[in-house]
Amino acid sequence: EVQLVESGGGLVQPGQSLRLSCTTSGFTFGDYAMSWVRQAPGKGLEWVGFIRSKAYGGTTEFAASVKGRFTISRDDSKSIAYLQMNSLKTEDTAVYYCTRGAGFVFADSWGQGTLVTVSS
Amino acid sequence: DIQMTQSPSAMSASVGDRVTITCRASQGISNYLAWFQQKPGKVPKRLIYASSSLQSGVPSRFSGSGSGTEFTLTISSLQPEDFATYYCLQHNSYPFTFGPGTKVDFK
Repeated sequence: EVQLVESGGGLVQPGQSLRLSCTTSGFTFGDYAMSWVRQAPGKGLEWVGFIRSKAYGGTTEFAASVKGRFTISRDDSKSIAYLQMNSLKTEDTAVYYCTRGAGFVFADSWGQGTLVTVSS
Repeated sequence: DIQMTQSPSAMSASVGDRVTITCRASQGISNYLAWFQQKPGKVPKRLIYASSSLQSGVPSRFSGSGSGTEFTLTISSLQPEDFATYYCLQHNSYPFTFGPGTKVDFK
């Protein structure tokens, strides 16, 4: 069974940093791209960013709203994807989900989400 | 960036109704369009991928169609468990973008 479990969320002050983890099981992690999607309280879904598999260079793409502040990395030996969030703003407050896949596999499985609250 | 719009933004329907939701892209996205269902407090669930392919395990009353810039999600006979918010997503080009959502509630 495919499982994705996010962790690392919490309350932080504006300007601080936080690293989220997405621990996976049930599939060959190294074969898959991974994405992060967020949802602010009471709002819709927003794609945050994406990391390709190593076979496709392991490169990343980001939404304009987080570009330059957020990075995504992966540890294929541990089957974990990371979202490093720096210079956090109040508008980054959201539930953050990780999803897997690219192309027509994109977002076929989701984690349960982790809440990040940015507030002073 | 590709903008996604959905119509209607909300609708009221009854069990057994045929429901159609439209998603439009600001430029062509081929068939890189997926539909998601989200219930309050729950994780989004993918229903349709590649515009018209049904996700494994999703009831056949859900169907998708379209290509290019206009897409539809149809629920042939609405069931009580289908009351939810539905989102389309384009993943043809970066940044990927979701539609604003369509909330389907009880009439």
